[in-house]
Amino acid sequence: DTEVTQTPKHLVMGMTNKKSLKCEQHMGHRAMYWYKQKAKKPPELMFVYSYEKLSINESVPSRFSPECPNSSLLNLHLHALQPEDSALYLCASSPTGNLGGAGELFFGEGSRLTVL
Amino acid sequence: AQSVTQLGSHVSVSEGALVLLRCNYSSSVPPYLFWYVQYPNQGLQLLLKYTSAATLVKGINGFEAEFKKSETSFHLTKPSAHMSDAAEYFCAVRAISGGYNKLIFGAGTRLAVHP
Repeated sequence: DTEVTQTPKHLVMGMTNKKSLKCEQHMGHRAMYWYKQKAKKPPELMFVYSYEKLSINESVPSRFSPECPNSSLLNLHLHALQPEDSALYLCASSPTGNLGGAGELFFGEGSRLTVL
Repeated sequence: AQSVTQLGSHVSVSEGALVLLRCNYSSSVPPYLFWYVQYPNQGLQLLLKYTSAATLVKGINGFEAEFKKSETSFHLTKPSAHMSDAAEYFCAVRAISGGYNKLIFGAGTRLAVHP
């Protein structure tokens, strides 16, 4: 069982919809990540929050808007997405986000997004 | 800059045979390296990690990997494959961006196990 919980597991939305993906961890980790994974491809980093502050934004389009309300929660707000944004969105956490620690990530099961 | 290259996008073995999944890394600093497994429609699970301690690292599910600096390799092995090992395997290296950790993943290797 994963200790990083993502909801919903599946989401279908139209290009004009606004929706959100949610992620929660209770391991006391101080860094949280959003990755995007297309079929048969490796995960690609989108955002990193360290100590609840946005630390890395990998030039992600503004139609994706991350939010970290507290150290246990991470949201990804979606608006005006395109069909090519359909993918598996993975949340992960790490004990530390800065140079301390090895940097291993613990992943959730993912939210599979389909944009029509 | 750090990167990893996985040799072989598909590997097929018979049940009970040796599993060998190849990963080579490029890093300007001593690397931290990881192997993850992904089963269909699931997230990634950490199999093992190398953090500059022992060069032979043992992980979960009977997997192990050996760090070889001279060959810049971190290959994943398992002595005897089980049907349940069929999955996608990713090698990853820690990179630093603006003082923060992130993982860079290889392209992945799909392992098929035949009876």
